[in-house]
Amino acid sequence: NAGVTQTPKFRVLKTGQSMTLLCAQDMNHEYMYWYRQDPGMGLRLIHYSVGEGTTAKGEVPDGYNVSRLKKQNFLLGLESAAPSQTSVYFCASSYLGQGLSEQYFGPGTRLTVT
Amino acid sequence: GESVGLHLPTLSVQEGDNSIINCAYSNSASDYFIWYKQESGKGPQFIIDIRSNMDKRQGQRVTVLLNKTVKHLSLQIAATQPGDSAVYFCAEALTGGFKTIFGAGTRLFVKA
Repeated sequence: NAGVTQTPKFRVLKTGQSMTLLCAQDMNHEYMYWYRQDPGMGLRLIHYSVGEGTTAKGEVPDGYNVSRLKKQNFLLGLESAAPSQTSVYFCASSYLGQGLSEQYFGPGTRLTVT
Repeated sequence: GESVGLHLPTLSVQEGDNSIINCAYSNSASDYFIWYKQESGKGPQFIIDIRSNMDKRQGQRVTVLLNKTVKHLSLQIAATQPGDSAVYFCAEALTGGFKTIFGAGTRLFVKA
């Protein structure tokens, strides 16, 4: 099993450009999450999904949108990138919901917005 | 618990020694706690978890201790190896709750 995979691994955007980050998991997990990780801070939840066709806002959702059209995929979109969105983005999935099972993380996408 | 510092706390140990990494969590209602390991350039990796009805849990070379009275969690690594060098962070969650709260972490250096 590949676990959780993310594409791309690195990306540089200019302010105002858009992009989509793709997350895929092959563990048949219902729950998927998008986090950002900034220096010296803990992971912060952007959006999450509790199943195919569902999405919900996390702690820092502004400037991001998500879609979960297929159970194995969770897409994170930036419609108009801003320098404040420079970060490392991690996707995760879990078999059960919050507080019930651990999360499995992808390798991350390092995004720089100039 | 959460940290907004720019610099992570650092623990430096000699290879073969035991390591103890501490974490203060923020929500007294949290009932599920997890330790993750993150190597440079990689995603976090699950190490061990513990529920609030326990105060100790052991894995392979790792032990997690939970003190709910003072909201404190610790990770003990026995016979630390160079491959253990990484950032370790704790996470807390409430069963069925909105989110998992991740700490910023502690950087562990293992000297050969």
